[in-house]
Amino acid sequence: NAGVTQTPKFRVLKTGQSMTLLCAQDMNHEYMYWYRQDPGMGLRLIHYSVGEGTTAKGEVPDGYNVSRLKKQNFLLGLESAAPSQTSVYFCASSSPGTSGSYEQYFGPGTRLTVT
Amino acid sequence: GDSVTQMEGPVTLSEEAFLTINCTYTATGYPSLFWYVQYPGEGLQLLLKATKADDKGSNKGFEATYRKETTSFHLEKGSVQVSDSAVYFCALRGTGGFKTIFGAGTRLFVKA
Repeated sequence: NAGVTQTPKFRVLKTGQSMTLLCAQDMNHEYMYWYRQDPGMGLRLIHYSVGEGTTAKGEVPDGYNVSRLKKQNFLLGLESAAPSQTSVYFCASSSPGTSGSYEQYFGPGTRLTVT
Repeated sequence: GDSVTQMEGPVTLSEEAFLTINCTYTATGYPSLFWYVQYPGEGLQLLLKATKADDKGSNKGFEATYRKETTSFHLEKGSVQVSDSAVYFCALRGTGGFKTIFGAGTRLFVKA
């Protein structure tokens, strides 16, 4: 079991460039999430998905798009990168589990720098 | 709306010291409560959880008790090690929901 994997691990973009971050999970979880982590700001939810083919906005969705074409994959896209999107991006997945707690499983993160 | 407040860090302790990281929450009903830990350069991982009032979650020597009357879920460990140096996040999942709300995180440094 690989759990949650993210690619790439690091990336440097110039302002205006685009890129896609890939998240994959092998736990058959229905729910998947993208967060960004910035110093002093904790984790902020960008977008999430409650199942294959569905997506929804989190608290900071502007400048990002997502797609969930397959249950195991959740893609995060930046169409025109801005320096304000310099951050560490984490993907997570969850399911109700036996206790109904929806504990989340996180990937290792992608460190993105936009110059 | 639901929220989580945890003590600001950093917290610096010597090895074998007692650790407490305070966490309080605001939520309706009976949320599930969690502590996640993030080691340097890694993603968050679940440390422990409690899903109903008076439950005690425990793992790796860490404990936290779900106190409904004080809306708290404080993290404790009797004797910290250098390897416990990390950022600790308190979190909750609201009743009937699936999203998790995270606190701002508390960085712990343990000195040898």
